[in-house]
Amino acid sequence: QIVLTQSPAIMSASPGEKVTITCSASSSVNYMHWFQQKPGTSPKLWIYSTSNLASGVPARFSGSGSGTSYSLTISRMEAEDAATYYCQQRYIYPPTFGGGTKLEIK
Amino acid sequence: QVQLKESGPGLVAPSQSLSITCSVSGFSLTNYGVHWVRQPPGKGLEWLGVIWAGGSANYNSALMSRLNIIKDNSKSQVFLKINSLQTDDTAMYYCVREYFFFDFWGQGTTLIVSS
Repeated sequence: QIVLTQSPAIMSASPGEKVTITCSASSSVNYMHWFQQKPGTSPKLWIYSTSNLASGVPARFSGSGSGTSYSLTISRMEAEDAATYYCQQRYIYPPTFGGGTKLEIK
Repeated sequence: QVQLKESGPGLVAPSQSLSITCSVSGFSLTNYGVHWVRQPPGKGLEWLGVIWAGGSANYNSALMSRLNIIKDNSKSQVFLKINSLQTDDTAMYYCVREYFFFDFWGQGTTLIVSS
């Protein structure tokens, strides 16, 4: 199965700071999806098919990548962006998730 | 609007079996696949399996001997059955709709396996 490795596992950012989370796949995949999860809630689709923002996601978020390397970027960190972010591939079965990146606000 | 809601027994003893129900609304199970994903306390997400619109299912190979996913289209319900429960099955269990990607998640139901 495809193993997804996210880095960093934990990070903190100041308001207004640029944030980049990376996701490395053990084999090439065509697309990557990203989910946001806040404590006590279910994950939400955040970015689909590598670079498309889900409904309601602020434009300060973006996604990019190809092959085995993908990333989620926040252009300017805001307090509401504090959450855990998971990458996921479903291009090759079984679907797999990265271990998550916990993003905190400084 | 699209909604999924899980329900289950909450607490089960080791070695027992259980069934978790996912009740959906706002879409038809004849048109979409529904996945099951679990999350142990404080940990990440693990894919368990999927039942497709046509009724066939695929499973996580590490768990497939203990899992069974079925559905009742007329009642808009999907069922996850797990046999031989172990303490490390303790987790939040989510059902998720797929539309090329996992677009809608249920709120989850907590399962605790303990004697």
